[in-house]
Formats: sequence, C-alpha cells, structure tokens
Amino acid sequence: KQEVTQIPAALSVPEGENLVLNCSFTDSAIYNLQWFRQDPGKGLTSLLLIQSSQREQTSGRLNASLDKSSGRSTLYIAASQPGDSATYLCAVKNPGANSKLTFGKGITLSVRP
Amino acid sequence: NAGVTQTPKFRVLKTGQSMTLLCAQDMNHEYMYWYRQDPGMGLRLIHYSVGEGTTAKGEVPDGYNVSRLKKQNFLLGLESAAPSQTSVYFCASSSDRPSISPLHFGNGTRLTVT
Repeated sequence: KQEVTQIPAALSVPEGENLVLNCSFTDSAIYNLQWFRQDPGKGLTSLLLIQSSQREQTSGRLNASLDKSSGRSTLYIAASQPGDSATYLCAVKNPGANSKLTFGKGITLSVRP
Repeated sequence: NAGVTQTPKFRVLKTGQSMTLLCAQDMNHEYMYWYRQDPGMGLRLIHYSVGEGTTAKGEVPDGYNVSRLKKQNFLLGLESAAPSQTSVYFCASSSDRPSISPLHFGNGTRLTVT
C-alpha cells in the first residue's frame, strides 16, 4: 500500500527565504506526483505535476523535483512571500485502471513579513 | 470557466437525517472523485467514477452512496448521517489521461452532524 509522508507538519520562515518542502513515498511505481496548495477554507489547487519519466517541473518561483528511485520529491519556493502562506500537499498517482491519488497530510507554511 | 462546483457549501444535519451533495464540472472530464478531509487524517477517497454510469468504492465508502447519471455531475449521498461523517467533503475531476492530467478540486462542503 502506497504511503506518502510530509515532514515537518508546519514551517515558519521570514519573508524572502528560499525554502524546500519535502515529500516521500514508499512505492516507486508511480504515474506521476502532484503538488497542491490549499488555502484555509478552500479546495486544493494543483501547482505542479511531474510525470514518472520527468525529473523536475518549474512554474514561476516554484520548482518541483522527483527522484523515483529514492521515493522523494521536493518543492522549492524561491524568495518566499507572505502570500505563499498556505498548506502544501503532495500526492502520487499509482498505476491501475482507477488511477487514484494517495495524499500526504500536508505542510502548513507561514511566511512572516 | 467555473471548473468544479460543489453545493451546498455548508450544512448541519442531525443524526439519522439524509442529504445529497452535488458536484458539477464543466471541463468534460471523465474521472470524478469524492474525498473527505479530516484533521490529522488527510484526504481520503470515498468513491470515484471513471465515466458516466460507472462508480466504484474508494478507501472509506461505508455510509455513502454515489451516482453518475450525467458525465458532468457526481452526487454523494448520505442515507443516515452519523457524527463520524462530520467532515469537509471535496469533489475532484480529471481527464482520462492519468499520467499527465492534474486533479481539479471544488471548494468543498463543510458538513456537521450533531
């Protein structure tokens, strides 16, 4: 059974810092890995999707990397801003007809002005 | 472009009452999902559908039923609500290309069962 872990559960940093959020998974046979952002009281918004054949994806100040062999992904946020404060979740999609996602519990990020 | 729309946004039920949560998507997606999100438990899949007229059980299906009579709609029903079903419910959809298609979420329904 796939398990996805995100540690730590919460993180507080001053504005302007570059930071890395970690995600680990137990079964390396995945279709893809997705990073989501969730603001309080809202749904999840997809930030980046990395296919199993890819090593990284970039969008603006965000860069996500994937190392399938070690079961790890990182989300790099450059020059963090207070508006980046949110919960960040990673999820992996395993092969199979239903293509379900397995989610981590998320990292709650607070960027202090 | 509305994306994924969930109704209602909030609901309070008494134990034993029934209700239906509606999810509608306008992206012509094949796959639709219902998740519940609880503190400390993360997101757990309740039921899902891989196309119109099909449904399947997820990780925590007990106490829930679903229907996908139209491609754009996915309904989640609670026949006899229990306090353990107090949660935030999210609907999501994706295309039928699982390796490259991201998941699109609605804004959730916050349900309290007293």
